[in-house]
Amino acid sequence: DAGITQSPRYKITETGRQVTLMCHQTWSHSYMFWYRQDLGHGLRLIYYSAAADITDKGEVPDGYVVSRSKTENFPLTLESATRSQTSVYFCASTERGGYSGSPLHFGNGTRLTVT
Amino acid sequence: GQQLNQSPQSMFIQEGEDVSMNCTSSSIFNTWLWYKQDPGEGPVLLIALYKAGELTSNGRLTAQFGITRKDSFLNISASIPSDVGIYFCAGGSSNTGKLIFGQGTTLQVKP
Repeated sequence: DAGITQSPRYKITETGRQVTLMCHQTWSHSYMFWYRQDLGHGLRLIYYSAAADITDKGEVPDGYVVSRSKTENFPLTLESATRSQTSVYFCASTERGGYSGSPLHFGNGTRLTVT
Repeated sequence: GQQLNQSPQSMFIQEGEDVSMNCTSSSIFNTWLWYKQDPGEGPVLLIALYKAGELTSNGRLTAQFGITRKDSFLNISASIPSDVGIYFCAGGSSNTGKLIFGQGTTLQVKP
């Protein structure tokens, strides 16, 4: 089915471990984004990508790494997880830049707990 | 940096009541978007606004792009239980190339 899928839906990991969250979209959208959602902060942009092999930092990039070797995939890696990275992570994609008003299509999120 | 102030933070209303929420900023935006997030899911676009002063409806939802380009509001008329969720505003700026989200308004509807 067409759409944007995230995996896993839930993940519990320990402080210091490396964790990778996966995101896959079937629309061939150029732009992909990673957001984190925390109470009181809404959605904050971590990283985004305008095309394969092009990535850029968002509002809260520290402690995260992304890659975009293929248009359809945009994995997010926490190199050494910390408790402050406990959050719900959303991947999104869109045809044009998000600022243009082109609708962002969100995945259903990954709830990550770092113990 | 650019910030959006979304209010109220939460609302608890009776079914059938009208709802109003808004977003304000000190920055100018080129687009205003309103998203709804159902529990356990990602946000879904409700309404997109592209011009200052624009008033757009989507069923029982009405949103307006403020004339100063620094604010927007969303109204929901005759609320029903399935309106429950978190509503986010988002402002898009072609100057910065960024889309900024508000903190969200959590809506609860009592049948």
